[in-house]
Amino acid sequence: EAGVAQSPRYKIIEKRQSVAFWCNPISGHATLYWYQQILGQGPKLLIQFQNNGVVDDSQLPKDRFSAERLKGVDSTLKIQPAKLEDSAVYLCASSAPGLAGGNNEQFFGPGTRLTVL
Amino acid sequence: GQQLNQSPQSMFIQEGEDVSMNCTSSSIFNTWLWYKQDPGEGPVLLIALYKAGELTSNGRLTAQFGITRKDSFLNISASIPSDVGIYFCAGYANTGNQFYFGTGTSLTVIP
Repeated sequence: EAGVAQSPRYKIIEKRQSVAFWCNPISGHATLYWYQQILGQGPKLLIQFQNNGVVDDSQLPKDRFSAERLKGVDSTLKIQPAKLEDSAVYLCASSAPGLAGGNNEQFFGPGTRLTVL
Repeated sequence: GQQLNQSPQSMFIQEGEDVSMNCTSSSIFNTWLWYKQDPGEGPVLLIALYKAGELTSNGRLTAQFGITRKDSFLNISASIPSDVGIYFCAGYANTGNQFYFGTGTSLTVIP
């Protein structure tokens, strides 16, 4: 079974530029998550989709970050314009129902490491 | 968002030693997950726990779902150099439908 795919793996941009990340979840996983992971910290949820609808985007900086999952499969996360503090690893994850029901087994992609200069 | 308390923050051990780490929360969870993250990679799911008191093993790894549902433990027996990495716990509550992550435990194994 293929895992969560992400691209690009690395991106270096200058501040005020725009950047987009792509994610393709595990086939059949209805729930998709975007996380930001700053060095030395655990993942922080940015946005959660259930199919093509947003479940939670309360921690997404909406003035510069946007995400979509138009067909309920793959997703893009965009930053426009980027700031220095956006330097981090952006992780995509998808989840499927576990033994106890609910979306409680979550699998991560390899991440995109963003450096903003 | 909520972040779980994970300890210890870092560990330096000799190859062959056993390792224990734990994760605590102020909230009750329905599921506890343990991940390992290597540098430059995404977290990889090691063990998933679904019931209070449950003890689950995956090779040399053993994890337990605390009776109070507010904590979980991960043990690694007979550590080897490839165990090096950062271990994260994550809790999931059916209400809220969201995963909360620990602060991570960095493990260094000295050959």
